[in-house]
Amino acid sequence: ETGVTQTPRHLVMGMTNKKSLKCEQHLGHNAMYWYKQSAKKPLELMFVYSLEERVENNSVPSRFSPECPNSSHLFLHLHTLQPEDSALYLCASSQESTDTHTQYFGPGTRLTVL
Amino acid sequence: KNQVEQSPQSLIILEGKNCTLQCNYTVSPFSNLRWYKQDTGRGPVSLTIMTFSENTKSNGRYTATLDADTKQSSLHITASQLSDSASYICVVSVGNFNKFYFGSGTKLNVKP
Repeated sequence: ETGVTQTPRHLVMGMTNKKSLKCEQHLGHNAMYWYKQSAKKPLELMFVYSLEERVENNSVPSRFSPECPNSSHLFLHLHTLQPEDSALYLCASSQESTDTHTQYFGPGTRLTVL
Repeated sequence: KNQVEQSPQSLIILEGKNCTLQCNYTVSPFSNLRWYKQDTGRGPVSLTIMTFSENTKSNGRYTATLDADTKQSSLHITASQLSDSASYICVVSVGNFNKFYFGSGTKLNVKP
């Protein structure tokens, strides 16, 4: 285990549903990330939080809404998603002060939008 | 344009054989390069990390090389095992901590 947990591991939702993905890191890191991983495509960075403040938003549609209440928890709120949003959503954390900023990934949430 | 390209896209080898995966990048300014292993249904796990001044880095049967002049890296797997079946992702980062560029990965299948 990497010290980063994600729940749920699998989620099926309709386009009108509202759901949330949860990520928790037990590593004492101060930066957390949301990534989208679609088949045969590179990981896409969605959001970055450093010291609980959002520092980057890579033009993600507003139907994805992140929340970082503290340095250990990260949420991704979902509403009115589209079928093309079906993917593996990965959470990661890192320690900003280190030179290498190695990211530790959670196991991901497999999301299917019907 | 900052890009990371990996080859081959997929690879099948027999257990016990060696293999080499390639990563070419155009990312600038270069900070470091990582290789991750991602098992099916799991998140990526870091294998090696190399900075500009490092040419090679080993982690057990995994050996990564870096040629910063040609902007190429390779991951060599020695004496492959069934558990090596996974996707291997090359990631290049720039100076800013939150700028990472990911390759599409090489899917390795080790058969008995």
